[in-house]
Amino acid sequence: DQQVKQNSPSLSVQEGRISILNCDYTNSMFDYFLWYKKYPAEGPTFLISISSIKDKNEDGRFTVFLNKSAKHLSLHIVPSQPGDSAVYFCAASSLISGTYKYIFGTGTRLKVLA
Amino acid sequence: EPEVTQTPSHQVTQMGQEVILRCVPISNHLYFYWYRQILGQKVEFLVSFYNNEISEKSEIFDDQFSVERPDGSNFTLKIRSTKLEDSAMYFCASRGSLGNQPQHFGDGTRLSIL
Repeated sequence: DQQVKQNSPSLSVQEGRISILNCDYTNSMFDYFLWYKKYPAEGPTFLISISSIKDKNEDGRFTVFLNKSAKHLSLHIVPSQPGDSAVYFCAASSLISGTYKYIFGTGTRLKVLA
Repeated sequence: EPEVTQTPSHQVTQMGQEVILRCVPISNHLYFYWYRQILGQKVEFLVSFYNNEISEKSEIFDDQFSVERPDGSNFTLKIRSTKLEDSAMYFCASRGSLGNQPQHFGDGTRLSIL
């Protein structure tokens, strides 16, 4: 089941610079997308979400962009901080189908270098 | 901030034994979920639960699995006869009443089957 893909297993960024994490999906029925951050030995922590009626959502240093035609979303973190070092998962759901389960990507490990 | 709590953090069980994983969702949430993550793989949906019944389940959630909300605060996942391949992190999640509210995850139970 490869409906949600994160093709970069890891990413290193200098502190203060922008981190861009990418996610692709194949199911055109997905209409709600989320990003979660995960530290070792903890559960996924919700960061930011976007509905398919929007193409951008911003919350502080975090912005999610959605390109429906390309079936692509990205998470921008500006400026990146060492505490942002974690594994980032994108997730997708199809609310219009009445299903609220999340389909997760495989994650991208972000390392922010001081 | 309210959080989802899971116990135990680590469970070691002999193959063939029954195991019960416990979760206390956020108190005003109505929708409850179990996910699992096998080491090195993605987080996978197992089951969703609302109004005291299963609303959706994956093909992983076979007859060996069951869920229950025994007392209005706990939400449990039971595996009747564990197999080696059940070894994984099991995450409980809950969300509020609106579909576009994010699911909040607990820190997980690491289940090790010997």
